[in-house]
Amino acid sequence: DAKTTQPPSMDCAEGRAANLPCNHSTISGNEYVYWYRQIHSQGPQYIIHGLKNNETNEMASLIITEDRKSSTLILPHATLRDTAVYYCIVDLNAGGTSYGKLTFGQGTILTVHP
Amino acid sequence: DAGITQSPRHKVTETGTPVTLRCHQTENHRYMYWYRQDPGHGLRLIHYSYGVKDTDKGEVSDGYSVSRSKTEDFLLTLESATSSQTSVYFCAIRKRGGEELFFGEGSRLTVL
Repeated sequence: DAKTTQPPSMDCAEGRAANLPCNHSTISGNEYVYWYRQIHSQGPQYIIHGLKNNETNEMASLIITEDRKSSTLILPHATLRDTAVYYCIVDLNAGGTSYGKLTFGQGTILTVHP
Repeated sequence: DAGITQSPRHKVTETGTPVTLRCHQTENHRYMYWYRQDPGHGLRLIHYSYGVKDTDKGEVSDGYSVSRSKTEDFLLTLESATSSQTSVYFCAIRKRGGEELFFGEGSRLTVL
């Protein structure tokens, strides 16, 4: 049973912000939200993760709602190289009993166009 | 770059033959994982390892076995390959103290 729900596809204009939503209504209190992406034929790439507070790094920002039932990944200035499949995952952290194994769903295909 | 090498990168084999895929890491990380990726299914965990000789099953482990006799190598074996095991296989590692996974370049397996 899927823990997350993402739209199958989204479009974004180059230079604009890309906002990718994810619903995780059954998330438990000790589960993190992780985001990965996969550019065509390559291995997935880690983007960001968070528990309850908003997070930002050099790649993206992660906004988690107060009830933690949904989140949004923000790519502030999308480029053509950001075209990829984006995966939202919830899981215990590396110190948890699941040993941090992540189950990937279908993801969102983000297409950035000129 | 997390120092992960998968081999072979491409393999074509026939139904019923054994196949072993190798994941090699150079940085002595404890946790290693094997995933498969198929159209319409995203990535699915096959097996994972949390140390030498310590392995456990993922969600799609039937038909697969793994071994980890030394830290740097995590082997995935298909004892008798079937066409349903045609897929792209990814190895991943988790760095000590880190939360994220680092993935290899993938191994494309075709079973005829």
